[in-house]
Amino acid sequence: GENVEQHPSTLSVQEGDSAVIKCTYSDSASNYFPWYKQELGKGPQLIIDIRSNVGEKKDQRIAVTLNKTAKHFSLHITETQPEDSAVYFCAASDPGGGNKLTFGTGTQLKVEL
Amino acid sequence: KAGVTQTPRYLIKTRGQQVTLSCSPISGHRSVSWYQQTPGQGLQFLFEYFSETQRNKGNFPGRFSGRQFSNSRSEMNVSTLELGDSALYLCASSAGPKETQYFGPGTRLLVL
Repeated sequence: GENVEQHPSTLSVQEGDSAVIKCTYSDSASNYFPWYKQELGKGPQLIIDIRSNVGEKKDQRIAVTLNKTAKHFSLHITETQPEDSAVYFCAASDPGGGNKLTFGTGTQLKVEL
Repeated sequence: KAGVTQTPRYLIKTRGQQVTLSCSPISGHRSVSWYQQTPGQGLQFLFEYFSETQRNKGNFPGRFSGRQFSNSRSEMNVSTLELGDSALYLCASSAGPKETQYFGPGTRLLVL
């Protein structure tokens, strides 16, 4: 089945700096890659997603890039703010007909003042 | 539009008992997926229901089961609870296949 690796496991940046989180996936047939943000005591919240027919997608301070050949995708957060501090998860969809997602192990992002 | 709701939010059970968790998806969504989240194993897929049919199942023992009703609400059941079943159980709903999934707040289960 699909395997998703995520790095780094922890990331500390200064407010205003950029943060980059990287993921690789194993199944070349996967075609949907969402990113979720999870704050303490809450469920994961979708922040951005990308499909395999697109190489890059941007939403204000957040962008995601996808390299299908290398089977990796990355989350970029610019101008980080303290409220960006949370755990971020990447995921890849199962190539089958359902909605199964395989998640990475998460990145604890801390934005320091 | 109301988000995904899960009940109860917290639950304490003892080993050997069984538990039922409930999930109400976003209005109009017909697909409900369940995930287990633990510090050691991360987020793992349990199963998915679409139009009252189980469409996909993860690698969990048969003690974990689920169902979906005609109004798309879903329940999952865990029988003969083990200490290792302590986890946050998350439900996600989507409009259909390969559509965006929205998660609920989860049910935190503690097995003593």
